Amino acid sequence: EIVLTQSPDFQSVTPKEKVTITCRASQSIGSSLHWYQQKPYQSPKLLIKYASQSISGVPSRFSGSGSGTDFTLTINSLEAEDAAVYYCHQSSSLLAFGGGTKVEIK
Amino acid sequence: VQLVESGGGLIQPGGSLRLSCAATGFTVSSNFMSWVRQAPEKGLEWVSVIYSGGATYYADSVKGRFTISRDNSKNTLYLQMNSLRAEDTAVYYCARAEGSGSYALDYWGQGTLVTVSS
Repeated sequence: EIVLTQSPDFQSVTPKEKVTITCRASQSIGSSLHWYQQKPYQSPKLLIKYASQSISGVPSRFSGSGSGTDFTLTINSLEAEDAAVYYCHQSSSLLAFGGGTKVEIK
Repeated sequence: VQLVESGGGLIQPGGSLRLSCAATGFTVSSNFMSWVRQAPEKGLEWVSVIYSGGATYYADSVKGRFTISRDNSKNTLYLQMNSLRAEDTAVYYCARAEGSGSYALDYWGQGTLVTVSS
């Protein structure tokens, strides 16, 4: 069973700041790592697939990197609408989700 | 593409419920489909998946109690939940993998709330 560990659990950020969220896998998953955004009372939304591939319609300030066991989601120039919980998800072996990172706007 | 879940509600411990996920805009049987749940104020937890070929898998927490299935004629995914426990209380989402070799979950339903309580 692959376990995903996200950090930090919570981040309070000023608009226009850069946000970095990390996701560490308990074993190598290649690039089979995806990122989602979940706003209150909404379903998760796919932001980045396969570690760094962009998704149509997602703002370009969202980017991903990494491979193997260490991955990063970066939000450049945070906007107020980016307040949400962010989850990583691995599809290398069935499914697993990280515990989530809540991003709050100061 | 749209996924619409139904079937949630209040159920006593030990009871059963069947969740449905009606799909439009694509064929359920041609895609990897999953059920993912989210307990109140908690993170996402995968529950069960079904591959296009029919193979099914379950999280340890529900193995032996839940069954995933699909009805091709209705283009609908199901989750039969038996022997429900308080810890099964959650919003249940169905989600579709993108396909063409991609297992990123590109479409999610709105979720249906299951509350297990006496």
